[in-house]
Amino acid sequence: DAGITQSPRHKVTETGTPVTLRCHQTENHRYMYWYRQDPGHGLRLIHYSYGVKDTDKGEVSDGYSVSRSKTEDFLLTLESATSSQTSVYFCAISELTGGPGNTIYFGEGSWLTVV
Amino acid sequence: DQQVKQNSPSLSVQEGRISILNCDYTNSMFDYFLWYKKYPAEGPTFLISISSIKDKNEDGRFTVFLNKSAKHLSLHIVPSQPGDSAVYFCAASDNYGQNFVFGPGTRLSVLP
Repeated sequence: DAGITQSPRHKVTETGTPVTLRCHQTENHRYMYWYRQDPGHGLRLIHYSYGVKDTDKGEVSDGYSVSRSKTEDFLLTLESATSSQTSVYFCAISELTGGPGNTIYFGEGSWLTVV
Repeated sequence: DQQVKQNSPSLSVQEGRISILNCDYTNSMFDYFLWYKKYPAEGPTFLISISSIKDKNEDGRFTVFLNKSAKHLSLHIVPSQPGDSAVYFCAASDNYGQNFVFGPGTRLSVLP
């Protein structure tokens, strides 16, 4: 299994409060991602990082911010949580191998409920 | 508009028979394709992949077929086992290899 740890694994929070999810990797991979999984939508990219302090937006980035101050840590912040952000959040990592393609590996997920 | 489509939300198959999961894509820049399996309350796990220079890749009971002209790929599981019951996601990436686009998933149920 890829060395990816997400915390917290489960969280219930109130609308309007800030929430930070943490992803920690031990693989020294360059690329890190945050996806959310919702019924009927599969896995949708929120933000990704291609290096320390280098991040970019994904398909569903509104309402989310990220930071990467160290290779191993990638934080996802909901500045003011809304009920539409109730979801399962997956961190993932990848590395360029120089081969025909790269594989992305996922963490165990963080279940967030906004009430 | 979804770039990666899995038009069957669910599929039921008898144990021992073949399971065929389908995936279609629209972006001709995609050149690497992956399948992931996901059990409830767990993260997706990598299953098998295929490069656009190939039309078939096999790993044990799992075979992925790619039809580039039709922008279609399929995952065959033979023989299907009850432990294969899970949600299967198809994913695609382009030649930069950084971004991965996922389909909505197909829930496979293998009946004993």
